[in-house]
Amino acid sequence: AQSVAQPEDQVNVAEGNPLTVKCTYSVSGNPYLFWYVQYPNRGLQFLLKYITGDNLVKGSYGFEAEFNKSQTSFHLKKPSALVSDSALYFCAVRDGDNYGQNFVFGPGTRLSVLP
Amino acid sequence: DAGITQSPRYKITETGRQVTLMCHQTWSHSYMFWYRQDLGHGLRLIYYSAAADITDKGEVSDGYVVSRSKTENFPLTLESATRSQTSVYFCASNTVAGTGVFYEQYFGPGTRLTVT
Repeated sequence: AQSVAQPEDQVNVAEGNPLTVKCTYSVSGNPYLFWYVQYPNRGLQFLLKYITGDNLVKGSYGFEAEFNKSQTSFHLKKPSALVSDSALYFCAVRDGDNYGQNFVFGPGTRLSVLP
Repeated sequence: DAGITQSPRYKITETGRQVTLMCHQTWSHSYMFWYRQDLGHGLRLIYYSAAADITDKGEVSDGYVVSRSKTENFPLTLESATRSQTSVYFCASNTVAGTGVFYEQYFGPGTRLTVT
């Protein structure tokens, strides 16, 4: 079965500092990995994805994520955090080899960027 | 406007009543999904649809019914609402490449449902 873990409920970082939001996954086939962001009272917005190719994926708003197959991780990063990055972040996975499986979302990590 | 919309955005209903949440997308995406979001549970899949007239259950489908007579619409019905169905409901859609690769999902703004 597929699963996604986001080990930190909350991440606090000072504005201007680098940020990392962690995600680990488990799938039996090839992973398709996604990051989404949710602002208050809004739906989820797509940030970036890894399907195949380069392990470092760049996405919207200056975010990037690194796919690490050996550690089954897909951590979200940004070199310099902004207060406006404060939001709820979700990692999601889909088994690329199993057409019948669906997306599985992690529980979310709340990022607070302090001015 | 192009995109995915949900209605109503807010709904209060009483226990035992039937409620229908609407979802409409303008991209002609083949796949559509309903999730509920609850504190501590993240997003949980209720139902999904691979195409018009093709639907399937997710992990928390009990008490819900869906239909998809047209590609662009995917209504979710709570047949007899219970307090445990108080939640925020999100509709999503995505497309699939000819190679079978699933692209990212696009989410609606959500419906906040309160069952009293």
